[in-house]
Amino acid sequence: AQTVTQSQPEMSVQEAETVTLSCTYDTSESDYYLFWYKQPPSRQMILVIRQEAYKQQNATENRFSVNFQKAAKSFSLKISDSQLGDAAMYFCAYRTPGGATNKLIFGTGTLLAVQP
Amino acid sequence: KAGVTQTPRYLIKTRGQQVTLSCSPISGHRSVSWYQQTPGQGLQFLFEYFSETQRNKGNFPGRFSGRQFSNSRSEMNVSTLELGDSALYLCASSGRGRNTEAFFGQGTRLTVV
Repeated sequence: AQTVTQSQPEMSVQEAETVTLSCTYDTSESDYYLFWYKQPPSRQMILVIRQEAYKQQNATENRFSVNFQKAAKSFSLKISDSQLGDAAMYFCAYRTPGGATNKLIFGTGTLLAVQP
Repeated sequence: KAGVTQTPRYLIKTRGQQVTLSCSPISGHRSVSWYQQTPGQGLQFLFEYFSETQRNKGNFPGRFSGRQFSNSRSEMNVSTLELGDSALYLCASSGRGRNTEAFFGQGTRLTVV
């Protein structure tokens, strides 16, 4: 069975600084997707970034980028130029390719605080 | 395009009662998944419906059930409520294809007293 582990329950970063959130996963599959979701106090889960396992290039979305190490089964999220609005719970998630199922397996989350 | 709508947003029920939660997916999405979020267990997958058929189920007791209608709207039902069922219940809808992403609703906060 696939598992997702986030070993940092809480992180803190100064505004405008850079922070990296860690995620490791376990799977025997070779084809899958990885995601980072953000859950602010409003509780709405918002997709931050996604990575397809067969793509070697790390995904980037504006200030958000990932470091995807497939052999090490590691998928960290880097937030550059942190803003107050980045404060939220961040979840790493795993999914097998759509078509058979859209089931997401989540990590336990990292609560990110942004200090002004 | 309207997002995923969950109703009600908040609910308070008494132990032993049953409850029904509703989820309207994004127009055109045929897959609806349900998750339970609690401080102790985190986000756990309940079940997924696709074209009115349950195609995946998490490890929850039979008190938790769901269904999907022909318009893709989904409901989940919890019978004989227990205190431990207090949680945020999230619904996500997805489109077709391998590259689809899940869009989440704002959730229903269920409190069992």
